[in-house]
Amino acid sequence: AQSVAQPEDQVNVAEGNPLTVKCTYSVSGNPYLFWYVQYPNRGLQFLLKYITGDNLVKGSYGFEAEFNKSQTSFHLKKPSALVSDSALYFCAVRGYNNDMRFGAGTRLTVKP
Amino acid sequence: NAGVTQTPKFQVLKTGQSMTLQCAQDMNHEYMSWYRQDPGMGLRLIHYSVGAGITDQGEVPNGYNVSRSTTEDFPLRLLSAAPSQTSVYFCASSYSGGGTIQETQYFGPGTRLLVL
Repeated sequence: AQSVAQPEDQVNVAEGNPLTVKCTYSVSGNPYLFWYVQYPNRGLQFLLKYITGDNLVKGSYGFEAEFNKSQTSFHLKKPSALVSDSALYFCAVRGYNNDMRFGAGTRLTVKP
Repeated sequence: NAGVTQTPKFQVLKTGQSMTLQCAQDMNHEYMSWYRQDPGMGLRLIHYSVGAGITDQGEVPNGYNVSRSTTEDFPLRLLSAAPSQTSVYFCASSYSGGGTIQETQYFGPGTRLLVL
């Protein structure tokens, strides 16, 4: 079955600095990769997805992600972090059978 | 559109009690799913449905039942609650026309369940 790994439980960055949240995946066949964000006491919100095409995917709120097939990675990035970006971020992969698997999540804290 | 709605928002059960978590969507989505979220484990798929009358098991289906009699509703039933089922439950939906799997999922606000 497909799976994703988020190697960092916590990422801390200063406001204005670039941020990266890491994700690696394992799947048979073509990967369908997603990033979601969760704010306290809320459901998940979609940020961006990779289906096919350009390896750099642009999404909501200035986030982007780079798909790297050779490294089986799909890292989330933003050039300049905001305090309001502080949240829990989930990487997910969807397999051919519609089965969606999420990573354990990475808590991003952006300090003023 | 209300999107994906879930009821109740919070529930306390005693071990052995049964209950149904409700999920409804008004976007005419074919695909619906249930997840549980536990600290340090992310979201784990319980059951999913690709259309009315069709359901399948996800990663952690034991102790849960589902049915899909209409496109709009996808209830999750706990027949005999156990403390291990204490969690936050999220329902989600997406388009799945033609069997495509790349569609974005939309999540409900969640149901927090405590089993004593």
